[in-house]
Amino acid sequence: GIQVEQSPPDLILQEGANSTLRCNFSDSVNNLQWFHQNPWGQLINLFYIPSGTKQNGRLSATTVATERYSLLYISSSQTTDSGVYFCAVDATGTASKLTFGTGTRLQVTL
Amino acid sequence: NAGVTQTPKFQVLKTGQSMTLQCAQDMNHEYMSWYRQDPGMGLRLIHYSVGAGITDQGEVPNGYNVSRSTTEDFPLRLLSAAPSQTSVYFCASSRGYVGSYNEQFFGPGTRLTVL
Repeated sequence: GIQVEQSPPDLILQEGANSTLRCNFSDSVNNLQWFHQNPWGQLINLFYIPSGTKQNGRLSATTVATERYSLLYISSSQTTDSGVYFCAVDATGTASKLTFGTGTRLQVTL
Repeated sequence: NAGVTQTPKFQVLKTGQSMTLQCAQDMNHEYMSWYRQDPGMGLRLIHYSVGAGITDQGEVPNGYNVSRSTTEDFPLRLLSAAPSQTSVYFCASSRGYVGSYNEQFFGPGTRLTVL
């Protein structure tokens, strides 16, 4: 099956700093999503981005499908950005089945 | 829309007990899935359904049964709970698998402990 690797595994930032999270995947995909899992365990959809670039406020994401990676940019980080960020992909093309990476744990400090 | 809802939020079982985790969505989505999340890991697919009456196995199906009698509901059954099934369970749904229909939306999760 498809492999999904995220880096870095852990990240500590001071409030206001910028960061880039990376997701590498081993095969062509027809779905790529970024999620934020908050400290209460809730999974929040950030981006549906199998290719191209999207922006939503302080967050943006870019997927280069031909090179099999995606980047999530967080600018001017806030303490509420803390949590785990997951990249998940679907390579089947026949059903909506996501394979998750192991996540990047982000802690934003004052 | 309430989106994807799950009940209960928390559950403690003894080894060998059975129970059903409920999942419902009010978005008229065709596709529904169950995932489990173990500590420090990403989610893994248990079972999924591409429509009422159609289900299939995911990556970790052993010990779990599902059925899909309506578009809205997709319950997950544990027939004989084992400590290895201690986990957080998430239900998800999407409109389909083509293009942006493929985007999945997740419920709030059920935290299950098996003693």
